[in-house]
Amino acid sequence: NAGVMQNPRHLVRRRGQEARLRCSPMKGHSHVYWYRQLPEEGLKFMVYLQKENIIDESGMPKERFSAEFPKEGPSILRIQQVVRGDSAAYFCASSSGLKNTGELFFGEGSRLTVL
Amino acid sequence: AQKITQTQPGMFVQEKEAVTLDCTYDTSDPSYGLFWYKQPSSGEMIFLIYQGSYDQQNATEGRYSLNFQKARKSANLVISASQLGDSAMYFCAMREARYLTDKLIFGTGTRLQVFP
Repeated sequence: NAGVMQNPRHLVRRRGQEARLRCSPMKGHSHVYWYRQLPEEGLKFMVYLQKENIIDESGMPKERFSAEFPKEGPSILRIQQVVRGDSAAYFCASSSGLKNTGELFFGEGSRLTVL
Repeated sequence: AQKITQTQPGMFVQEKEAVTLDCTYDTSDPSYGLFWYKQPSSGEMIFLIYQGSYDQQNATEGRYSLNFQKARKSANLVISASQLGDSAMYFCAMREARYLTDKLIFGTGTRLQVFP
């Protein structure tokens, strides 16, 4: 399967623990986007990364959230000291950056539940 | 101001009928793209259709067509011959060229339910 791969699909954490969500972009894609979807809401942009660079983090909460996309390996969205309000679906999307149709290819999402 | 507005939280349509899902957008960028995604209950985001701001014709993809009215800043999705499997959330989204990225801004979605 050459699509965007996210894991875990479901993650349960207690308040105060850390959550790590992983995203492997489509083959040949070097641009990764993270979105958050709260229950019954649309997707909200969080961060845009290219290999080893954060390009736009205007949607990231100022505290506890971080993202990286290392030279080797998947992109990681890290949430420290989770709170109940972090419960959401986190989607990763990738693109080639060629701006043809500009289509983002989405993963199936990681659903975080904070108890 | 909302960049993407979807005013219909929910819509019902009978099988085999056509349905229009509304979307209006707000941008000062002359170059932009408009997208529709479908999110079934399983949760994945499925790309349906794309319209570029300079495209002369309305986009069509099978049973999906986009009614693009640039002056009114609307990009409504028309689904013809609805099927039960069309029941899902539908999101309108916009990409603005000035940001030089593929970042999409999404609306709040419309839940479509198709009944027999």
